[in-house]
Amino acid sequence: AQRVTQPEKLLSVFKGAPVELKCNYSYSGSPELFWYVQYSRQRLQLLLRHISRESIKGFTADLNKGETSFHLKKPFAQEEDSAMYYCALRFRSGSARQLTFGSGTQLTVLP
Amino acid sequence: EAGVAQSPRYKIIEKRQSVAFWCNPISGHATLYWYQQILGQGPKLLIQFQNNGVVDDSQLPKDRFSAERLKGVDSTLKIQPAKLEDSAVYLCASSLDTYVWGGGRYNEQFFGPGTRLTVL
Repeated sequence: AQRVTQPEKLLSVFKGAPVELKCNYSYSGSPELFWYVQYSRQRLQLLLRHISRESIKGFTADLNKGETSFHLKKPFAQEEDSAMYYCALRFRSGSARQLTFGSGTQLTVLP
Repeated sequence: EAGVAQSPRYKIIEKRQSVAFWCNPISGHATLYWYQQILGQGPKLLIQFQNNGVVDDSQLPKDRFSAERLKGVDSTLKIQPAKLEDSAVYLCASSLDTYVWGGGRYNEQFFGPGTRLTVL
């Protein structure tokens, strides 16, 4: 069965320090992975997807199939990065494609 | 464009009562999702609609939960009767995803603000 694991519930870093949010997955098929973010009092929104290989707000994430990981990284954290981050895996279920989410990591960037 | 709308934003009920949530997706979005997010967990898909048809409801507790999307636009999710463990945030999302058998491209899911349900 497909599963997404985010081992850290809470993560605190100082402004300007590098940050890495961990995500591991298990899935027998070809994975499609995403990072979603929820800022305080805002809606859950897509941050980035692995297939796009893009950098959004300075964040990048590389899919490592050997380690079944999709860690989110940013070299210099900013206070506005403080938010809840969810890793998600898209998989096929019957005739549908759906997302399964990890339990999330609350990132706090300290001044 | 206007985002996904949900109402009510908050609801407090006693166990064994009934409750209904409403969702209005982004105009033109064919696919609508209902998620349940229990405190400390990520969203869990309950049901997925493609237009007015159910694509997946494998994780919907059908003995007490029901959902409909009669005209392929708005949707309602109902719980009857509610249990204490139903306390959660119920999220609605929509996307342009038009499913193609054997293929399918990803269209971003846009989430509503959620309804926070407390069952006492």
